[in-house]
Amino acid sequence: QAVVTQEPSLTVSPGGTVTLTCGSSTGAVTSGHYPYWFQQKPGQAPRTLFYDTNNKHSWTPARFSGSLLGGKAALTLSGAQPEDEAEYYCLLSYSGGRIFGGGTKLTVL
Amino acid sequence: EVQLVESGGDLVKPGRSLRLSCIVSGFTFGDYGMSWFRQAPGKGLEWVGFIRSKAYGGTTEYAASVKDRFTISRDDSKSIAYLQINSLKTEDTAIYYCTRSNSGIYERTDYWGQGTLVTVSS
Repeated sequence: QAVVTQEPSLTVSPGGTVTLTCGSSTGAVTSGHYPYWFQQKPGQAPRTLFYDTNNKHSWTPARFSGSLLGGKAALTLSGAQPEDEAEYYCLLSYSGGRIFGGGTKLTVL
Repeated sequence: EVQLVESGGDLVKPGRSLRLSCIVSGFTFGDYGMSWFRQAPGKGLEWVGFIRSKAYGGTTEYAASVKDRFTISRDDSKSIAYLQINSLKTEDTAIYYCTRSNSGIYERTDYWGQGTLVTVSS
């Protein structure tokens, strides 16, 4: 079974920019992995930010963007706000199912 | 307003069975696929499975770790998705979330429910 990797933790300053990445043990992440990004705050259900790499939902703040970068899926936050402090999970699709990364704890400090 | 409400979570003994329900409102349930995810206490998310809309056969997909014990079904007349869990194990202890897919055929999770807690313990 593939392993999906994310940075365990990242810190960004308010107003700053940070990129979270999502890699696959099987090789480069492509659009064929249909990358997802989810945000989860403590005590809350997750919220979907992006599907299929860069398709956002109506509730996804414009300061977030999804892309493929250097063989990984990437979530970029430009102009971080205190309310963006959360756990972020990526999800990749494989022939045998869908696998989450371990999550990135993003601190805005 | 789209709403998904899970229920059925409980404290159960290993080896028992449990059926979780996800009742939805705010959209035409039959037009959409539905998924289940879970999250063990203090851990990350895990995809459980997906059911397509009846227009696409109502077919299902499961994570390898659960496919022999978990069954997803749907009752379009009641706007409810179900997750049947058999032969419960302690490692099944988790919050179980249902989600809507914005497609009847492809899994494209958009809305999430608030989850229901399943605790497996003797």
